[in-house]
Amino acid sequence: AQKVTQAQTEISVVEKEDVTLDCVYETRDTTYYLFWYKQPPSGELVFLIRRNSFDEQNEISGRYSWNFQKSTSSFNFTITASQVVDSAVYFCALSDLPFNSGGSNYKLTFGKGTLLTVNP
Amino acid sequence: NAGVTQTPKFQVLKTGQSMTLQCAQDMNHEYMSWYRQDPGMGLRLIHYSVGAGITDQGEVPNGYNVSRSTTEDFPLRLLSAAPSQTSVYFCASSYSIGVDSYEQYFGPGTRLTVT
Repeated sequence: AQKVTQAQTEISVVEKEDVTLDCVYETRDTTYYLFWYKQPPSGELVFLIRRNSFDEQNEISGRYSWNFQKSTSSFNFTITASQVVDSAVYFCALSDLPFNSGGSNYKLTFGKGTLLTVNP
Repeated sequence: NAGVTQTPKFQVLKTGQSMTLQCAQDMNHEYMSWYRQDPGMGLRLIHYSVGAGITDQGEVPNGYNVSRSTTEDFPLRLLSAAPSQTSVYFCASSYSIGVDSYEQYFGPGTRLTVT
């Protein structure tokens, strides 16, 4: 069975600090996708990134960066120079793609989320 | 495009009542899913559909029914509400192109309280 572990339940930082959110996953499939979603206090789920299991390149998008390491089954998320608007719950999610699944991400396994609070 | 829409936004039910949470998407996505979010639990998959007329159970299907008669709509029915079904419910849709699969698009959620 798939499993996503976000060991950090809550993180509190001061504005402009860098912060890394950890995500460790378990799957038996060789083909899968990993995602990060942000849930601000307003409650909606905002998509941040999708990563295919065959693509181990790290990615940077503005102040956000992601480090994918298959060897350790981790997909960590770093926010550089954090801002108050980054305060939210962040979810890591895994979508495995069994051979006969049709190849779509309709079954996500979510971690329990990390509540990030950025204080001014 | 409106994306994924859900109605109602809030609902209070009494134990034993039934109701349907509505979900619609206008992006012509093949795949649709229902999740529930409980404090400290992340999101858990209730039911999903890979196309009109095809549905299957997720991780926590008990007490819920779904059907998918059209590509656009994927309603979630609570047959006899229980306090344990107090939660925030999210509907999502997604698609694939060839062998490439894309992220799920989530609706704004329905906050349900069962007393």
